[in-house]
Amino acid sequence: EAGVAQSPRYKIIEKRQSVAFWCNPISGHATLYWYQQILGQGPKLLIQFQNNGVVDDSQLPKDRFSAERLKGVDSTLKIQPAKLEDSAVYLCASRGGRAQTNEQFFGPGTRLTVL
Amino acid sequence: QKEVEQDPGPLSVPEGAIVSLNCTYSNSAFQYFMWYRQYSRKGPELLMYTYSSGNKEDGRFTAQVDKSSKYISLFIRDSQPSDSATYLCAMSGSGGGADGLTFGKGTHLIIQP
Repeated sequence: EAGVAQSPRYKIIEKRQSVAFWCNPISGHATLYWYQQILGQGPKLLIQFQNNGVVDDSQLPKDRFSAERLKGVDSTLKIQPAKLEDSAVYLCASRGGRAQTNEQFFGPGTRLTVL
Repeated sequence: QKEVEQDPGPLSVPEGAIVSLNCTYSNSAFQYFMWYRQYSRKGPELLMYTYSSGNKEDGRFTAQVDKSSKYISLFIRDSQPSDSATYLCAMSGSGGGADGLTFGKGTHLIIQP
């Protein structure tokens, strides 16, 4: 089965600009997560979706970050306006499917550099 | 105090050695414990998944959880150069691992040929 797809793989922007990331989870996975991984740190959960509803967005900086998952499949994460401290790898993960295991499958991530 | 503490290393050992990695945590609500391996410029991939206290073995890998001490470990036997990567411990509460995960910083492991 195909893995979690993310695009773009790399993005460089100036501070105060806007940026959007896209994620396509594994087919049939109802749960989708966005994590932020700053260099030298472990991933930190930003938001969790169950189908197209938000389960947990307690750590999402809502003044600048937004995310949506229309139709319960693909998801986009947006930052507007970006700050220097937003430089990180943004990882998308999905879980679910027929086996209903607890494993979260991660995509390769989008590496964001804010100058 | 962070919820999950993990020594970032780097930890360098010769090929064939037994490797011991560990994490401590403070949140007693954590019940599901995982170890992920992350190669450079890749997403994390699940290595081991355990529930509550006890041991679990899978090939060269053994995961141990001691909830009374809030301490988890991953042992790698007969380490290989291909095991060189960052190892992340991760935990979640009562959602069966379906909750968002809380990760440690990761330990950078280097296996010298």
